[in-house]
Amino acid sequence: GQSLEQPSEVTAVEGAIVQINCTYQTSGFYGLSWYQQHDGGAPTFLSYNALDGLEETGRFSSFLSRSDSYGYLLLQELQMKDSASYFCAVRFDQAGTALIFGKGTTLSVSS
Amino acid sequence: GAGVSQSPSNKVTEKGKDVELRCDPISGHTALYWYRQRLGQGLEFLIYFQGNSAPDKSGLPSDRFSAERTGESVSTLTIQRTQQEDSAVYLCASSLVSTGSGNTIYFGEGSWLTVV
Repeated sequence: GQSLEQPSEVTAVEGAIVQINCTYQTSGFYGLSWYQQHDGGAPTFLSYNALDGLEETGRFSSFLSRSDSYGYLLLQELQMKDSASYFCAVRFDQAGTALIFGKGTTLSVSS
Repeated sequence: GAGVSQSPSNKVTEKGKDVELRCDPISGHTALYWYRQRLGQGLEFLIYFQGNSAPDKSGLPSDRFSAERTGESVSTLTIQRTQQEDSAVYLCASSLVSTGSGNTIYFGEGSWLTVV
């Protein structure tokens, strides 16, 4: 089967940096994505890594190591509005399959 | 439309009744997905459509669940003889399917189903 593992909860304070890890075991791999979901809202796309290395988008960065089946989302200069759930997701087939999501990491940012 | 639209946004139904949930994807998106999210839980994959065909139905939890898509547009998820454990948010998403798409999928706001 396909599985993705990520921590269930992370806490941090405003201005800090936090890293959310994701490890995956899938029959194939066509990219690691990250989605953010605020309470009661729809998940929204944050970032995508198809190749090894770091992708930076403003305060958020995402990293992938395919040899380690591992990635992380790095959030810098944390703000209260970053309190949300963060999901990693993998497409394990090139076509004909959906994104499989991890169970999500709840990030709580305090002042 | 501009985004993925789902209806109803909220549905309360009695145990044993059938419900239909509708999804209007972003215009031109050939791929459509249904996910289920129980309160405080992750996204559970249900079914995926490429055009009007469903190459992956592996996530449907039982034969009470079915889905169809017509005209490469609207999709309907039907739950027959609802049970209390069906209470959840049902999220629909759509995407352009290509290797260069970045795997980005766009979610609707969900249909919140409560079975009493």
